[in-house]
This record gives sequence, structure tokens and C-alpha cells, in this order.
Amino acid sequence: ETGVTQTPRHLVMGMTNKKSLKCEQHLGHNAMYWYKQSAKKPLELMFVYNFKEQTENNSVPSRFSPECPNSSHLFLHLHTLQPEDSALYLCASSQTSGGSYEQYFGPGTRLTVT
Amino acid sequence: KNQVEQSPQSLIILEGKNCTLQCNYTVSPFSNLRWYKQDTGRGPVSLTIMTFSENTKSNGRYTATLDADTKQSSLHITASQLSDSASYICVVIFMGNNRLAFGKGNQVVVIP
Repeated sequence: ETGVTQTPRHLVMGMTNKKSLKCEQHLGHNAMYWYKQSAKKPLELMFVYNFKEQTENNSVPSRFSPECPNSSHLFLHLHTLQPEDSALYLCASSQTSGGSYEQYFGPGTRLTVT
Repeated sequence: KNQVEQSPQSLIILEGKNCTLQCNYTVSPFSNLRWYKQDTGRGPVSLTIMTFSENTKSNGRYTATLDADTKQSSLHITASQLSDSASYICVVIFMGNNRLAFGKGNQVVVIP
């Protein structure tokens, strides 16, 4: 276990549904990240939060809405998704001061949009 | 064009054999290079971390090398085991802003 948990592990949703992905880190890190991993593509950074503040949004469509209530929890709210949004969504955390900045990844949520 | 290119894309090897995975990158300057192992249905887990001044780093049967002059890294797996079946991802970290550049991964399948 890496100290980063994600729920649910699998999610199937229709294009008109609204769902949320949850991530929790137990490492005392200050930064949290959402990544999208599609088949045969490199991981794509979606959002970065540092001390609960969003510091990066990589031109992600508004149908993905992140929320970071505190440094240990991160959510990704989903609505009116498209089939091409089907992918593995990975959460990660890191400490951004005085260390190696290494990111620790959760197990991911496998999302299928029908 | 991706800043981190990995080869081969996929590889099948017999249990007990060795293999070497390649990573070429264009990120410059960079602070460190990492190899991650990602089992099917899991998140990536760090195997090795090398700074730009290091040439080699080992973690059990995994040995990573780095040539900063040619911008190449390799990951060597010795005496492969069935549990080595996974995707191995090369990640280069930009110096200064600590952004990560990911390769697509090398998919390794170890067969008995």
C-alpha cells in the first residue's frame, strides 16, 4: 500500500449521470494530483492542489470538477461525460518542500462511460 | 512529440531470463529520473530514483542506468519472475518546477 486510497475502484456510468471519485492520502503530504491514464498514452496531469488551493488545471473540460476540502482529501466530480472519458483515473500526493517531491499514487478508479 | 520515449512498447520473456527496457528523453534540464512499476489495475509504484549526477541505481533485481549526456536511461530486470509482469514507466522531472514528463510505459509479460 502506498498510503493513498481511492474509491470506488471501478465505476460504470451513463453520459447523463453525475458521480464523484474520492481520494484520501495518509502520508501528511501537502500536494494532491489527479491524472488520467488512457490506453497506450502517457499519464496526463489534470489538476494540482497545494495546501487545498488549485495551482494547476491543464485545460480540463468543465465536465470534470475537482474539489479539495483539505490537504488529505481530493474529489473529482463527474457530470455529462463522454465515452472518450473512459480511462483509469489516478490520484497522487507528494510533499513539495524539503524532500524528493516524489509522488505516491493510489490504485486508481477504472471509469467506463456508456 | 512526447518528451519521454520508451522502447520496446511490449515484451514477452521467459521466467528466469533477463531483459532491458529503454527510455530516451528530451527534457532539459532535469532534476531526476524515475522508473515506476505499474501492475494491472494498480497505480504506479516507484522502483528507482536517480539524480542527474547518478549513473546507476539498484533495487533488488532491478537496476537502472542513466547517461545524461545521451539522454538515455535503461531498466534491467535480472532473473525475471512471473510477478515482474507489469508496465514499467519512465518519468523525468523538470528542474525548477518539478513537473513530471511520463513515458507511455514498457509492457512486460513474463511467461513460465
